[in-house]
Amino acid sequence: RKEVEQDPGPFNVPEGATVAFNCTYSNSASQSFFWYRQDCRKEPKLLMSVYSSGNEDGRFTAQLNRASQYISLLIRDSKLSDSATYLCAVNAGTGGSYIPTFGRGTSLIVHP
Amino acid sequence: DAGVTQSPTHLIKTRGQQVTLRCSPKSGHDTVSWYQQALGQGPQFIFQYYEEEERQRGNFPDRFSGHQFPNYSSELNVNALLLGDSALYLCASSLWGGQGSSDTQYFGPGTRLTVL
Repeated sequence: RKEVEQDPGPFNVPEGATVAFNCTYSNSASQSFFWYRQDCRKEPKLLMSVYSSGNEDGRFTAQLNRASQYISLLIRDSKLSDSATYLCAVNAGTGGSYIPTFGRGTSLIVHP
Repeated sequence: DAGVTQSPTHLIKTRGQQVTLRCSPKSGHDTVSWYQQALGQGPQFIFQYYEEEERQRGNFPDRFSGHQFPNYSSELNVNALLLGDSALYLCASSLWGGQGSSDTQYFGPGTRLTVL
């Protein structure tokens, strides 16, 4: 089983739709969780950090379920500009060194 | 506030050659991590530097080496290039330490390496 798994998609949704992605992780000692957005041929950019049960930022909501070892990202009222790959990252470091493990990403295509 | 910078942006090399990629971390950060991202995959961790020492290493051969300078900038060196080394190489900076915002990594724009 991979350490961090994501459905690669693509998720093809109309503007205005609500879409949700899940990310499962295998290391129960994982301590912090992140969602990054990556546009084609660009670097990942931090979208949200998830340290407790969840986090909300405008149209974006991230939730953490430690018991089932997954995090989710919900995007409401999808915009064309939301089209991108969404990477999930999970930290399980020790001492001062935190090395996130990334999933392969979920592709989202929002169409008119 | 300067973000993470990397150079060069693109590089074309042939098999067997050596390459050096450079990274300057975000202002205020002291830790640099390097990742390799192949097409359609997530970033794969290569190694992390703090206080000019390699602190952790991923599953990459010794052909991949690095260095961190006193000003926190870093280099990634790859020797004896293979076709499979073609990828986007990402540098990420962070703050060494515990929980909270210090473990968040911020990425540079990457260097796209093509090996022919």
